Amino acid sequence: GQQLNQSPQSMFIQEGEDVSMNCTSSSIFNTWLWYKQDPGEGPVLLIALYKAGELTSNGRLTAQFGITRKDSFLNISASIPSDVGIYFCAGQLLYEYGNKLVFGAGTILRVKS
Amino acid sequence: DGGITQSPKYLFRKEGQNVTLSCEQNLNHDAMYWYRQDPGQGLRLIYYSQIVNDFQKGDIAEGYSVSREKKESFPLTVTSAQKNPTAFYLCASSSQGDTEAFFGQGTRLTVV
Repeated sequence: GQQLNQSPQSMFIQEGEDVSMNCTSSSIFNTWLWYKQDPGEGPVLLIALYKAGELTSNGRLTAQFGITRKDSFLNISASIPSDVGIYFCAGQLLYEYGNKLVFGAGTILRVKS
Repeated sequence: DGGITQSPKYLFRKEGQNVTLSCEQNLNHDAMYWYRQDPGQGLRLIYYSQIVNDFQKGDIAEGYSVSREKKESFPLTVTSAQKNPTAFYLCASSSQGDTEAFFGQGTRLTVV
């Protein structure tokens, strides 16, 4: 099946630093989504991207839909302790039976205060 | 409040027993999904349903079964045929034609 390669697998950064993570695939996606998951909870949607080349911001978060539609990145500026968690990218494909989301393996973010 | 609710949050099961995980949404969403999450891995799709009385297998459907008798409910049964059922299970829903999926809080299943 389709696979998303998400990197890095984990990050340990200083509070106040900027963070960057990305996802790549050999498949073309219609939509890219970025989620954050806190321990023991369900993922929460951060940013949705719908068009190739689109750059979208949500507070300190910025994400881009790659021009080839095969990749996306997420940047977090000036990280704070509550940014800790697992960040997932997800690409959406259109199937005969509707939409299907494919998830990356996640990036674990740890912030050192 | 509109949302998607999974229950229970923690579930223990003896080997060889079937167990059913509940997922209910009051968002009037047409599509519902079940994912499995294991440490160090992304979310893997078990089953999904786009409309009532219809559902399709995802990437890891073996050992699981679902039903979609009502729009708001999509229960997942983990059967004894599932060889390694201990995992965190997540349910999600989305509107037909909408790309954004919203997740429940998850159910952690442990086989003892």
